[in-house]
Amino acid sequence: NAGVTQTPKFQVLKTGQSMTLQCAQDMNHEYMSWYRQDPGMGLRLIHYSVGAGITDQGEVPNGYNVSRSTTEDFPLRLLSAAPSQTSVYFCASSYSYRGLDSPLHFGNGTRLTVT
Amino acid sequence: GENVEQHPSTLSVQEGDSAVIKCTYSDSASNYFPWYKQELGKGPQLIIDIRSNVGEKKDQRIAVTLNKTAKHFSLHITETQPEDSAVYFCAAPSNSGGSNYKLTFGKGTLLTVNP
Repeated sequence: NAGVTQTPKFQVLKTGQSMTLQCAQDMNHEYMSWYRQDPGMGLRLIHYSVGAGITDQGEVPNGYNVSRSTTEDFPLRLLSAAPSQTSVYFCASSYSYRGLDSPLHFGNGTRLTVT
Repeated sequence: GENVEQHPSTLSVQEGDSAVIKCTYSDSASNYFPWYKQELGKGPQLIIDIRSNVGEKKDQRIAVTLNKTAKHFSLHITETQPEDSAVYFCAAPSNSGGSNYKLTFGKGTLLTVNP
């Protein structure tokens, strides 16, 4: 049981490049989400999904796209990377079809640097 | 949306002492309050949570108290040990349209336990 797996662990991009951060979970969780963590800012929600085919915006969605074609996978796409997107990105999932009243399970993060 | 304030931002204690971290929230409809611990280089991990129908919950050296009237909840760690050193986050869900799908985190508390 791997839990939530994020790849890659580290990535360096140049401004304007695109990339996809991968997230997969093997717990059959309906709810999946992406957060970014910046010093002194805590964890901020980017996008979330309550099931396959359903996604919605969080607090800081600009510059990011998501899709949810399967229960297991929830990739995060950066279409044109900017230095302001330098951050640590966390994917999290939860067994929650009613709402967030059960624990979030986090991956170990992707550290992204945009130069 | 939900606004979560967390204090203090840093806390240093001697081994064996107690540590208390406090959070306030703004959405009176919030009904689930988790606490997460994040060790260096890892994703946050749930350590304890409480639901709004309970005032206090304890798990060995860790306890959480909730005051719904004042809209604040606190994490208490007794008999602290060096391995308790980490960043701790509180969180509360934002209740939108009857569903809590967005979890808002506090900015975190860096706890250092000195041997």
